Amino acid sequence: EDQVTQSPEALRLQEGESSSLNCSYTVSGLRGLFWYRQDPGKGPEFLFTLYSAGEEKEKERLKATLTKKESFLHITAPKPEDSATYLCAVQAANSGYALNFGKGTSLLVTP
Amino acid sequence: GAVVSQHPSWVICKSGTSVKIECRSLDFQATTMFWYRQFPKQSLMLMATSNEGSKATYEQGVEKDKFLINHASLTLSTLTVTSAHPEDSSFYICSARAPTGSYEQYFGPGTRLTVT
Repeated sequence: EDQVTQSPEALRLQEGESSSLNCSYTVSGLRGLFWYRQDPGKGPEFLFTLYSAGEEKEKERLKATLTKKESFLHITAPKPEDSATYLCAVQAANSGYALNFGKGTSLLVTP
Repeated sequence: GAVVSQHPSWVICKSGTSVKIECRSLDFQATTMFWYRQFPKQSLMLMATSNEGSKATYEQGVEKDKFLINHASLTLSTLTVTSAHPEDSSFYICSARAPTGSYEQYFGPGTRLTVT
């Protein structure tokens, strides 16, 4: 059975304090790993897709990396507006395009 | 691009009544749409996969007679919660598969359903 585990559950950072969020996964045949950002009361906002181990993608202060067992979302010099819940999801090759989400990491960046 | 809308954004209904939620892809055609449910402080749980012109595929444990899904066009899918009860109160979010060639899903803003 596919599993996605995110850690930590919650993270509090000071503005400018860089850190990483972890997403560990087990899946039978990974088609893709996805990172989303979700603000309270809103739908998830797409950030990145990673398809193969060693792949990296960047967007502003965010950088996502992928290995065969886990993915990291690195946040460099975060700002308060980066506060949100970050969701990781995997898509198995035989899933019919469905996403299996982790429980998310709730990030709070204080000024 | 890849904008998905939902209507309504929130709804309150009485127990025993039915509620319809619409999901539209605004600037692309979506052959496949998905419906998720999210309880407070929980992650998204897939309820069903909706393919245009065919019956929806429901996840294990989701009652297909209670959650009716219709995907009548390439830009519209609807979820009807029939005979709603307080335990159906939740945040319902739809997504649409990105246009051909990519695997991302783009999500709507969600619909907050409260059943009294």
